[in-house]
Amino acid sequence: DGGITQSPKYLFRKEGQNVTLSCEQNLNHDAMYWYRQDPGQGLRLIYYSQIVNDFQKGDIAEGYSVSREKKESFPLTVTSAQKNPTAFYLCATEKGPFYGYTFGSGTRLTVV
Amino acid sequence: EDKVVQSPLSLVVHEGDTVTLNCSYEVTNFRSLLWYKQEKKAPTFLFMLTSSGIEKKSGRLSSILDKKELSSILNITATQTGDSAIYLCAVDGGSGTYKYIFGTGTRLKVLA
Repeated sequence: DGGITQSPKYLFRKEGQNVTLSCEQNLNHDAMYWYRQDPGQGLRLIYYSQIVNDFQKGDIAEGYSVSREKKESFPLTVTSAQKNPTAFYLCATEKGPFYGYTFGSGTRLTVV
Repeated sequence: EDKVVQSPLSLVVHEGDTVTLNCSYEVTNFRSLLWYKQEKKAPTFLFMLTSSGIEKKSGRLSSILDKKELSSILNITATQTGDSAIYLCAVDGGSGTYKYIFGTGTRLKVLA
């Protein structure tokens, strides 16, 4: 079955550590997105990529980095510069205009 | 600034009740509005509304787009406990090059 796989489901980060969240898709979609979800704030866009080897910052990119070396993969690194990283992170893909997003099952990141 | 506002923020009803969730938007260049249901992890797609498709229905769920009022409603009739979820509204129409702007969501709880 085609879909989006996010891993791990739960991640704990110590202060000062960088961590990487994985997002893999076999839907053959060009566009991929990373969102952060906090209670009461809805989904906020971190980074997005519409083609391989190209990506753009979203609204809250500070403290995050991404790469898009393969069409199937769009990993997100949460760096130590992100001061409040505890949140639920969702990866999404889009088949094209007017198709809407398909979401992964998310990664819950907690700073300990 | 482009924005999407959902109301109410939360709602508790009993099985069998009918509920109406609201989504209003202010965006630069409206293209489409999407409704998603988020039960635990990944939001799942419900409806997409555009200028050429302002009313959608699927079983007990229906949605209408009012382009004059810049808003949409999501109706759920004969609610069931399985309808308990966060309902997200997203609008494609920002001035930026990326796509959807999300509202904060409405948390619906249906009591048996």
